[in-house]
Amino acid sequence: GENVEQHPSTLSVQEGDSAVIKCTYSDSASNYFPWYKQELGKRPQLIIDIRSNVGEKKDQRIAVTLNKTAKHFSLHITETQPEDSAVYFCAAPTSGTYKYIFGTGTRLKVLA
Amino acid sequence: NAGVTQTPKFQVLKTGQSMTLQCAQDMNHNSMYWYRQDPGMGLRLIYYSASEGTTDKGEVPNGYNVSRLNKREFSLRLESAAPSQTSVYFCASRRKLGDGAGGELFFGEGSRLTVL
Repeated sequence: GENVEQHPSTLSVQEGDSAVIKCTYSDSASNYFPWYKQELGKRPQLIIDIRSNVGEKKDQRIAVTLNKTAKHFSLHITETQPEDSAVYFCAAPTSGTYKYIFGTGTRLKVLA
Repeated sequence: NAGVTQTPKFQVLKTGQSMTLQCAQDMNHNSMYWYRQDPGMGLRLIYYSASEGTTDKGEVPNGYNVSRLNKREFSLRLESAAPSQTSVYFCASRRKLGDGAGGELFFGEGSRLTVL
């Protein structure tokens, strides 16, 4: 069945440093890879996504890279700021179904 | 647009009681979802509805039932609540990308349920 593994579960970085979160997926038919951010007490919200026909996508300080051969994709946050502190989730919806399975989340702390 | 609205926001139940969480979206999305979120467990899919008239089990469906009442509404029912169902519940709807299963999920604000 579908499986999405996310690492690390917690990550602390100094303000201004970069943060990288990695997810691996099991279904080779997956073709859409989103990242969601959830601030404390709030709902998850999409921050960036990538389709399988590209290897990288950037949006200001965040980027997602995809390695379809290895079945993993990563979130990169550069020049981290305190407001980046949150829980980040990856997902890998299974192509052909509408199941939308999330990773277990990464709690990012940006230390001032 | 209100987006995804779920009620109630908070609820305390006793073991064995039943209740229904309501969810409605005004974005004309076909697919809707129910997740539960527990500390350290991320978002786990309970049930989903690909389109009006269909529902399917997710990762953790035991103890729950759902109803896709119409295109807008998707309810989650706990027939006999157990302490293990204490959690935060999120409803979501999906904006389809055009093909396949991708597309942004829009979440409600969440419903915090405590079962004593």
